[in-house]
Amino acid sequence: GEDVEQSLFLSVREGDSSVINCTYTDSSSTYLYWYKQEPGAGLQLLTYIFSNMDMKQDQRLTVLLNKKDKHLSLRIADTQTGDSAIYFCAESYGGATNKLIFGTGTLLAVQP
Amino acid sequence: DGGITQSPKYLFRKEGQNVTLSCEQNLNHDAMYWYRQDPGQGLRLIYYSQIVNDFQKGDIAEGYSVSREKKESFPLTVTSAQKNPTAFYLCASHRGQGTGYTFGSGTRLTVV
Repeated sequence: GEDVEQSLFLSVREGDSSVINCTYTDSSSTYLYWYKQEPGAGLQLLTYIFSNMDMKQDQRLTVLLNKKDKHLSLRIADTQTGDSAIYFCAESYGGATNKLIFGTGTLLAVQP
Repeated sequence: DGGITQSPKYLFRKEGQNVTLSCEQNLNHDAMYWYRQDPGQGLRLIYYSQIVNDFQKGDIAEGYSVSREKKESFPLTVTSAQKNPTAFYLCASHRGQGTGYTFGSGTRLTVV
């Protein structure tokens, strides 16, 4: 079945780069997403990548997709304390139903 | 501004009671979703609806029910049959393939 895996925790110092990794299983996924969740809040869409791309950059965020290994990563440059949150990757599946399967989430802790 | 509104933010329920969580969107999105979030388990799909008057079970539908009488509204009822209802519930909607989901701010349900 579909499964999306992430490491549970990442700690970085302010100003460093953060890299959050994700592996997924459905090779037919057309879109892959990164969401951010701050404490007690809903999920906010950060960025997404189409499956025929291998990289997408959006300001401090860089998404890398290795379709052969089904590996997705999110790099945050110059990490700030405001970036502390849980980050979820998600893959789309189900064709027209466009359901998303979410990973377990990675808690990013940014130390000042 | 368009968005998704979930209410209430916090809800306490006695064992054996049914409770209904509200989800309203003014984004004119066709598809709506309910997810349950537990620590360390990511998001799990409860029910989804692609169109008014139609909905499908997700991965963990047992003990839950929904209705979709209006495009804007997708309420979730947590019944007494749900054995472990304490969780954070998130409602989402989307416009179509590749657009990602828009999430509400969530309802935290606690059984006392």
